[in-house]
Amino acid sequence: AQSVAQPEDQVNVAEGNPLTVKCTYSVSGNPYLFWYVQYPNRGLQFLLKYITGDNLVKGSYGFEAEFNKSQTSFHLKKPSALVSDSALYFCAVRVPRGNTPLVFGKGTRLSVIA
Amino acid sequence: GAVVSQHPSRVICKSGTSVKIECRSLDFQATTMFWYRQFPKQSLMLMATSNEGSKATYEQGVEKDKFLINHASLTLSTLTVTSAHPEDSSFYICSARSGRGGTETQYFGPGTRLLVL
Repeated sequence: AQSVAQPEDQVNVAEGNPLTVKCTYSVSGNPYLFWYVQYPNRGLQFLLKYITGDNLVKGSYGFEAEFNKSQTSFHLKKPSALVSDSALYFCAVRVPRGNTPLVFGKGTRLSVIA
Repeated sequence: GAVVSQHPSRVICKSGTSVKIECRSLDFQATTMFWYRQFPKQSLMLMATSNEGSKATYEQGVEKDKFLINHASLTLSTLTVTSAHPEDSSFYICSARSGRGGTETQYFGPGTRLLVL
């Protein structure tokens, strides 16, 4: 069975500081990994994905994430946080077989303080 | 990036009525569409997986006669909440998957907030 863990319900960071939102996963096989962001009363916006290739993937709005197979992690990072980055972040995984759906973590609320 | 639209964005209805929510992929053909439900401050709960021209696959605990899904084309899926009750009030989000393998990405609609009185 697939599962995703986002161990932090809330992450607080000062504007201008680097931020990390953690994600670990459990799947059988090679995973497809995704990060999404959700602003209040909105759907999810795609940030980035890892399918194959370079372990460090760069996405929208200056975000990046590193796929670490040995640690089964896919942490989201940004070198310098903005107040506008404050939102709910979801990590998701899927095993690429047929129409298997994305499995989401519970979400991490990021608060960037000016 | 690709765009997925949902209509309506917000609906208020009386208990016992049916509500239809449309989900469209505007600039790509979706291999598969998904319907999710999200409760306040919680993650997304998958309701069903939908493929064009075939019956939807419902997750355990989701009543298929309650939540009717029609996937008419590669760009349109509809969710009908039949005989809605207050407990059906929620935020419903559709998603459309494009591409395969290395090009695969899944995009989400803006959501529909349903309030049943």
